[in-house]
Amino acid sequence: EPEVTQTPSHQVTQMGQEVILRCVPISNHLYFYWYRQILGQKVEFLVSFYNNEISEKSEIFDDQFSVERPDGSNFTLKIRSTKLEDSAMYFCASTSGRVGSPLHFGNGTRLTVT
Amino acid sequence: DQQVKQNSPSLSVQEGRISILNCDYTNSMFDYFLWYKKYPAEGPTFLISISSIKDKNEDGRFTVFLNKSAKHLSLHIVPSQPGDSAVYFCAARVLDSNYQLIWGAGTKLIIKP
Repeated sequence: EPEVTQTPSHQVTQMGQEVILRCVPISNHLYFYWYRQILGQKVEFLVSFYNNEISEKSEIFDDQFSVERPDGSNFTLKIRSTKLEDSAMYFCASTSGRVGSPLHFGNGTRLTVT
Repeated sequence: DQQVKQNSPSLSVQEGRISILNCDYTNSMFDYFLWYKKYPAEGPTFLISISSIKDKNEDGRFTVFLNKSAKHLSLHIVPSQPGDSAVYFCAARVLDSNYQLIWGAGTKLIIKP
């Protein structure tokens, strides 16, 4: 069964550095998402992306965050200047958008900001 | 802001019995509810969903019930199997949104042999 893949599985970075988290959504899916889960807290919506633009974003997704679909397969989340509180599991998800089709999630990237 | 609540952090059930996981919500504008299962070091895996216009959806061992008047839904797993041990998340979709999901905190289900 096709799956969403995320790389790297674990990223350690220093505060203030830029990080790029990478995702390859399922190939025939059209809608892409980033969610995150801070340790011990709930999963939170960050952003949705369709037709090469952001369709929705949460208040967490501020100017430090950006998303891009640089080619036909990758979907990236960039954090420009990481903060300690950005440490979390970041999950990429995709869906075909057909009625009743759920989100399919990747296994996540654990981001640790030191 | 706890729009979706799973009040039981954990639940222990004997193998072969029924597991019932509960979820409450406060926002009447949710149009779709989903249950996801999550193993450690993996992403959430979709289990079953229900539209707000229905009150029951069944898929094999999994049944989701929705009580709109009580703003309550539950996931029933019958019979429970050892592989069902995982964290179960209830999530609700904001009406007319593009899968902007609001998540519960999760319930850790432990199936005892």
